[in-house]
Amino acid sequence: AQSVTQLGSHVSVSEGALVLLRCNYSSSVPPYLFWYVQYPNQGLQLLLKYTSAATLVKGINGFEAEFKKSETSFHLTKPSAHMSDAAEYFCAVSVPRSSASKIIFGSGTRLSIRP
Amino acid sequence: DTGVSQDPRHKITKRGQNVTFRCDPISEHNRLYWYRQTLGQGPEFLTYFQNEAQLEKSRLLSDRFSAERPKGSFSTLEIQRTEQGDSAMYLCASSLAEGRTEAFFGQGTRLTVV
Repeated sequence: AQSVTQLGSHVSVSEGALVLLRCNYSSSVPPYLFWYVQYPNQGLQLLLKYTSAATLVKGINGFEAEFKKSETSFHLTKPSAHMSDAAEYFCAVSVPRSSASKIIFGSGTRLSIRP
Repeated sequence: DTGVSQDPRHKITKRGQNVTFRCDPISEHNRLYWYRQTLGQGPEFLTYFQNEAQLEKSRLLSDRFSAERPKGSFSTLEIQRTEQGDSAMYLCASSLAEGRTEAFFGQGTRLTVV
C-alpha cells in the first residue's frame, strides 16, 4: 500500500528565506504525488502535482517540487517566503491506472513565517 | 459550477444523536471521497465512490458510519449514535476517475459532539 511521510510537523522560516518542506513516499509502483495547502477552517487547495511527466513541477504561489525516484522524495520548495504562506501543507500520494486507487495524505507540516 | 459543496458547515450535536452530512461534488467528477481530519493531523481516508459504487471503506470506520451516493451525484455521510471521539472536520472531495487528476475539496463540515 502507498504512504507518505512528512518530516517535521512544524517549520519556521523568516520572511524572504527559503522554504523547504520534506515529503517521502512509499509505493510499489510509480505514484502520482500532490502537495496541498490548508488555511485555518478551510478545505484543501492543490499547490501542485506530479503525474510522471517532468520531474520538476511548478505550482501556484511560487512553489515547486522535484520528484526524485532514487530518494523516494517529493520535497516542496519556495525561494522566498511571504507572510501569506503561513498555513498547513500536506503531501499526498495515489496509485495511477488503478480502479481501486485512493489519495493518501501525510500528517502535515505547519509553516510559520517570522517577520 | 463553483466547486465541491458541503452542508452543513458546522454541526453541534449531543452524544448519542445521529447526524447526516451532505456533499455535492463537481458535476463531471465521478469519483467522490470522504475524509476525516482532527486537529493537527492530515486528512484520514474514510471511504470513496466511483459513480454510485462504494469501492472502499476504511477499516478504521466503525459500523456507526455509513455513506451513500445513490445516483452517482451527491453523497451523504451518516454517523449513528455519535460519540465525543467523532468530533472532527469531515471533508469531501471529488475527482475524475483515475489517480492522475487531483481531488478538489469542499470547505468541510465541522462536527462537535457534546
